[in-house]
Amino acid sequence: SQQGEEDPQALSIQEGENATMNCSYKTSINNLQWYRQNSGRGLVHLILIRSNEREKHSGRLRVTLDTSKKSSSLLITASRAADTASYFCATGEGGGSNYKLTFGKGTLLTVNP
Amino acid sequence: DAGVIQSPRHEVTEMGQEVTLRCKPISGHNSLFWYRQTMMRGLELLIYFNNNVPIDDSGMPEDRFSAKMPNASFSTLKIQPSEPRDSAVYFCASSLGLGQNTEAFFGQGTRLTVV
Repeated sequence: SQQGEEDPQALSIQEGENATMNCSYKTSINNLQWYRQNSGRGLVHLILIRSNEREKHSGRLRVTLDTSKKSSSLLITASRAADTASYFCATGEGGGSNYKLTFGKGTLLTVNP
Repeated sequence: DAGVIQSPRHEVTEMGQEVTLRCKPISGHNSLFWYRQTMMRGLELLIYFNNNVPIDDSGMPEDRFSAKMPNASFSTLKIQPSEPRDSAVYFCASSLGLGQNTEAFFGQGTRLTVV
């Protein structure tokens, strides 16, 4: 079953603009992660934010987490055509051997040159 | 390490045939996940293992689906008999440790087409 739900489903912007994608989830989590998928390829991990963190940065990526609202956002600044891909949020739930990752349906980002 | 390796990359089979998908996780990783990706349902978690033991198979759609992990370096996902609605991209992913904050490393996927 799906845990995270991304919004919007698709986003088209011009190169140089910022892109913001949102993710909402339903149950308590240990962490929230963002992944990127280029067409026809596997998913690649971008960034992980723990449940006790509120904001995290990695290069042009900025992730926020609001556990009271059960939501997260991914901001890509100064977008490039090469950022065109699908972006997924994933919730890390459980602990020990019961730890698992559940993904949303993703946001398709198109960055136009 | 070469990363998570899946085989085959593409599989076309006729309805009713048995299909076996294979996965080699990253050496040293002790959690392994099987996901299925379709346009309609997105990325669904089918089953995951920890230290070769199946932990949760509640995502397996039907009894036609089965998965095994006989050792730390190999897992299979089998569909018998296959049906056209099984057509999807199947991903295997592995992660390190029993941690609560670990990332998953994905293979390139197997694109299955059942005709």
